[in-house]
Parts: sequence; structure tokens; C-alpha cells
Amino acid sequence: GENVEQHPSTLSVQEGDSAVIKCTYSDSASNYFPWYKQELGKRPQLIIDIRSNVGEKKDQRIAVTLNKTAKHFSLHITETQPEDSAVYFCAASKYANDMRFGAGTRLTVKP
Amino acid sequence: EAQVTQNPRYLITVTGKKLTVTCSQNMNHEYMSWYRQDPGLGLRQIYYSMNVEVTDKGDVPEGYKVSRKEKRNFPLILESPSPNQTSLYFCASSLKGAESQPQHFGDGTRLSIL
Repeated sequence: GENVEQHPSTLSVQEGDSAVIKCTYSDSASNYFPWYKQELGKRPQLIIDIRSNVGEKKDQRIAVTLNKTAKHFSLHITETQPEDSAVYFCAASKYANDMRFGAGTRLTVKP
Repeated sequence: EAQVTQNPRYLITVTGKKLTVTCSQNMNHEYMSWYRQDPGLGLRQIYYSMNVEVTDKGDVPEGYKVSRKEKRNFPLILESPSPNQTSLYFCASSLKGAESQPQHFGDGTRLSIL
């Protein structure tokens, strides 16, 4: 089955800097790659997703890039703000039932 | 409002006392799933259901049961809870299981088994 590795496990940046979180996956047939943000004590919420027929997707300060050949994808957050502080999870799947999540990255944005 | 509702949100109980965590979604989603979240391990799938009366094991099914008698409900049953099932549990749903779609998560249930 799919295996997803996520790095780094913790990331601390200064407000206004950029943050990058990287994930690798093992199953070359995976075609859907969502990113979830989980604030303390709350549910994971989808912030952006990308499908394998697209190399990059942007939504305001958030972007995701996908390299199918290397089997890795990354989340980029620009102009970070304190409210971006949370745990971020990547995931990869072909179907809903085989979605596998990374272990998470705790992002801290210092004011 | 479209949502996934879990109950209870918090539960402290003792080893061996059967418990059920309910999950209900109002989005007419076909696919529903249960995850447990433990520090450093991310979200691990316990059981999933592709549709009514169709359920299957995920990565960590031992000690759990599920049922899907109605499309909207997907309860998680711990017949004889043990301390290693102390965790944060999330129910999730998505439109279809046959293709990957965004998953919508409930607010979570924090279980403590003493």
C-alpha cells in the first residue's frame, strides 16, 4: 500500500517569511494529494489539494507543487502570519479508501 | 450546514466496558471512514465504508467494529476497550470512495481508557 513521509516534523519561522513542507509517496499510481491544516484541539481541514494531471496549484498565499517523476509534493506558504501556526498533514491516494497521511508538521510562526 | 457530527466529544471510561462513538453526516456522502490520531503517527485508518452495508478494514482495525446500516451513520464500536485504544478519533466522509475526493472530518472524540 501507499506510504507517505513528511518533513520536517517541526518548523519555526518568523512572521512574514516563507514555509515549505515536503512529502514523498511510494505508490506511483496515486493521483490525489490533499493538504490539511489542524489547529490545536480542532478537526483537520482541507486547505489545498492537487491532482496528478497538474504540476502546481495556488490559492492566495498557499501553493502546492507536485513532481510525479520523483514522487514528491510540497506545500509552500508565503508571507506567514501567526494564525498559520498549526499542524499540517499531507496525504496521497488513488481512491478514498487508500488515503495515507504523513505524520504531520508542526508549524510555528513567531511574531 | 454541511457537517460530520461525532458524539461524544470526550469520554473517560474503564477497561472492558463496551462503548460506541457515533458519526453522522448530512451531505449524502457514499464514503465514510474512521481514523485514530496519535502523537507522531498522524492519522491512521481504522475502518472504512464505501456505501451502505459495505465496510472493510483499514490499517489498524484490531479491537474495533463498525456498521453501516444507513448512508448517513457510521458508528465505531469498542466491544472491550483497552488502554492502548486511548486516542483521538476522527470520523470523515467524502462524496465517493471509488475516486479520491476531499474528506470532511468531524470534530473528533477524545477517548481515555483507564
